[in-house]
Amino acid sequence: AQTVTQSQPEMSVQEAETVTLSCTYDTSESDYYLFWYKQPPSRQMILVIRQEAYKQQNATENRFSVNFQKAAKSFSLKISDSQLGDAAMYFCAYRSPQETSGSRLTFGEGTQLTVNP
Amino acid sequence: DAGITQSPRHKVTETGTPVTLRCHQTENHRYMYWYRQDPGHGLRLIHYSYGVKDTDKGEVSDGYSVSRSKTEDFLLTLESATSSQTSVYFCASLRTARGELFFGEGSRLTVL
Repeated sequence: AQTVTQSQPEMSVQEAETVTLSCTYDTSESDYYLFWYKQPPSRQMILVIRQEAYKQQNATENRFSVNFQKAAKSFSLKISDSQLGDAAMYFCAYRSPQETSGSRLTFGEGTQLTVNP
Repeated sequence: DAGITQSPRHKVTETGTPVTLRCHQTENHRYMYWYRQDPGHGLRLIHYSYGVKDTDKGEVSDGYSVSRSKTEDFLLTLESATSSQTSVYFCASLRTARGELFFGEGSRLTVL
C-alpha cells in the first residue's frame, strides 16, 4: 500500500516571503499522480496543484510550484510571495492510476501553515 | 467545480444510535468516496464506490456501511455510533479526465 508522509506538522512564513512544504511517499508503481490540497478554516478542500509522474517538468500554478523528485519519492510545494490568504492546512496526496484500487487518494497528515503579517 | 453537497453539515448524536450522512453530486461522476478527517491523521478512506451498487472498503471501514442506489447519491451509515466516530466526514467524487477529487463541504459529527 502506498503511504504519504508530511514531516512538518506546522510551518510559518512572513507575508511576501517564500515557504516550502515537504512531502515524501512510498510506492512501487511507476505511473501515478500527486496533488497538493489546501484546507482553509472554512474546511473546504481546494486543489492547489497536480503532478503526473511521467512528466519530468515540475508543475506550476501562479505562485505555487512543486519540486518533484521521482527517484527520491519527494514532492514538495513552494509558495512564493506568501499572502495572508495562504494560511491553511495543506495536504499532500497520492493517487494510483489503477482502477482496481478505486483510483483512491492517499493523504499525508497535513501541514498547518501560518502566514505572519 | 463539481456540484457536490453533503447533509447534514453538523450533527450531534448519542452513542448507540444509527446515523446516515448523505452525499449528492450533479456531475455524473462514476467514482465517489467517503473520508474521515482527524487531527494527526489527515484524511482516511472509509469506503468508496465505482458505480451504482458497486462499493468497496477503504482503510478504516469498521463500523461503517455505504450504499449507492443512484449515480448521484452516496450514503454513509453508522449502524451504532461510538465516540471514536466523532470526526469530520468528507464526501468526494472523481473527475476522471484530470484525476482529481472534488470534495463536499464536510459534515461534522459528534457522538456523545
